[in-house]
Amino acid sequence: NAGVTQTPKFQVLKTGQSMTLQCAQDMNHNSMYWYRQDPGMGLRLIYYSASEGTTDKGEVPNGYNVSRLNKREFSLRLESAAPSQTSVYFCASSVDPGQGSHQPQHFGDGTRLSIL
Amino acid sequence: SQKIEQNSEALNIQEGKTATLTCNYTNYSPAYLQWYRQDPGRGPVFLLLIRENEKEKRKERLKVTFDTTLKQSLFHITASQPADSATYLCALVAGGGADGLTFGKGTHLIIQP
Repeated sequence: NAGVTQTPKFQVLKTGQSMTLQCAQDMNHNSMYWYRQDPGMGLRLIYYSASEGTTDKGEVPNGYNVSRLNKREFSLRLESAAPSQTSVYFCASSVDPGQGSHQPQHFGDGTRLSIL
Repeated sequence: SQKIEQNSEALNIQEGKTATLTCNYTNYSPAYLQWYRQDPGRGPVFLLLIRENEKEKRKERLKVTFDTTLKQSLFHITASQPADSATYLCALVAGGGADGLTFGKGTHLIIQP
């Protein structure tokens, strides 16, 4: 049972470089999310996708772009990485069959990203 | 904006005792509240969801209460075990539909043998 798979697990970038974080889920979930987790800040929502073909900004979207490639995959792109984007990035998914259902979210084990 | 407060200091509990974690929130009246467990180097794992019209929810040794008047949720682990040691996160729905969650910073629980 893979659940939510994130790649890569670790990455070091130089300031200004770009990269894409990959996320895939095999639970046939409609909704997918990207969070970042920083010491003393907790998890913060970057972007989410309620369903295939839609994406919306979360609390901290600046400096990021996302693509909901299909129902399984939701990628996060850093176009020009900055040291402030050093963080642990988590992808999550949930069933969310309709408004107000608020199903539990299933998380991957994260990508640890360092920007030098 | 929504603000969620959890004890930032670690909570040390003797094995076998009941551990009680607190989650307070402001500026919002959530219809749902969720609790997650996070182990070092891993993603959060869902534990329990409680709705605003539910005062209490239980699952095995876990119990969650939800007081919308006090804007507080309590998370209890009875007969605690060293394996319960982890960080526990409280989360509220940020908005309607499939919006993401707003998380507290978490409380680090240590169960001493």
